[in-house]
Amino acid sequence: QSVLTQPPSVSGAPGQRVTISCTGSSSNIGAGYDVHWYQHLPGTAPKLLIYVNSNRPSGVPDRFSGSKSGTSASLAITGLQAEDEADYYCQSYDSSLSGYVFGTGTKVTVL
Amino acid sequence: EVQLVESGGDLVQPGGSLRLSCAASGFTFSSYWMSWVRQAPGKGLEWVANIKQDGSEKYYVDAVKGRITISRDNAKNSLYLQMNSLRAEDTAVYYCARVLADRVTTSPWFDPWGQGTLVTVSS
Repeated sequence: QSVLTQPPSVSGAPGQRVTISCTGSSSNIGAGYDVHWYQHLPGTAPKLLIYVNSNRPSGVPDRFSGSKSGTSASLAITGLQAEDEADYYCQSYDSSLSGYVFGTGTKVTVL
Repeated sequence: EVQLVESGGDLVQPGGSLRLSCAASGFTFSSYWMSWVRQAPGKGLEWVANIKQDGSEKYYVDAVKGRITISRDNAKNSLYLQMNSLRAEDTAVYYCARVLADRVTTSPWFDPWGQGTLVTVSS
């Protein structure tokens, strides 16, 4: 059971901006635990997109950005491209569960 | 190139056992925590277990405690997941992942991930 809630799906036309929210609670994001984001294409290895709330690993386009505030975090994709169609997951740590937690996942569709 | 390659996934009956392996290359395996993460069909990602560099600390999600054991062999650059008393709800693609952290982060992250190995528990 995921303790981080994401919208099931978001969509946008090529070139548009979309955002994905990740809502947690006082035992995870609200407790100050950092948030990370992954891109996952079915049948492939998940790929790290954003680490420690807003940092991009080398090779990740600057079209991807992350932020965190209070009990929530967000991933923004600007200049949406067809190759961005994938599932996206946030991840943090939960002190009540004493373990890592993932978001429910969001499917991004490029119209 | 940093690489993780899982193997060992199979079809197994409920109550059966299976051992997954993950071969690491391209980095100093013994210097990192490692984890297993799974994805059930049509579901999201779920962290399963992680293990410290020297194997002295291990942590598990409640759903697998007492049935699944994570281990590693640093001499072979390999990570393992021994799965016993398997249930239908253990059916998933299992990924191994390297755990990363910096000096100030409050929550480690996973990078890279392997391509996964499928475990199907069914009679």
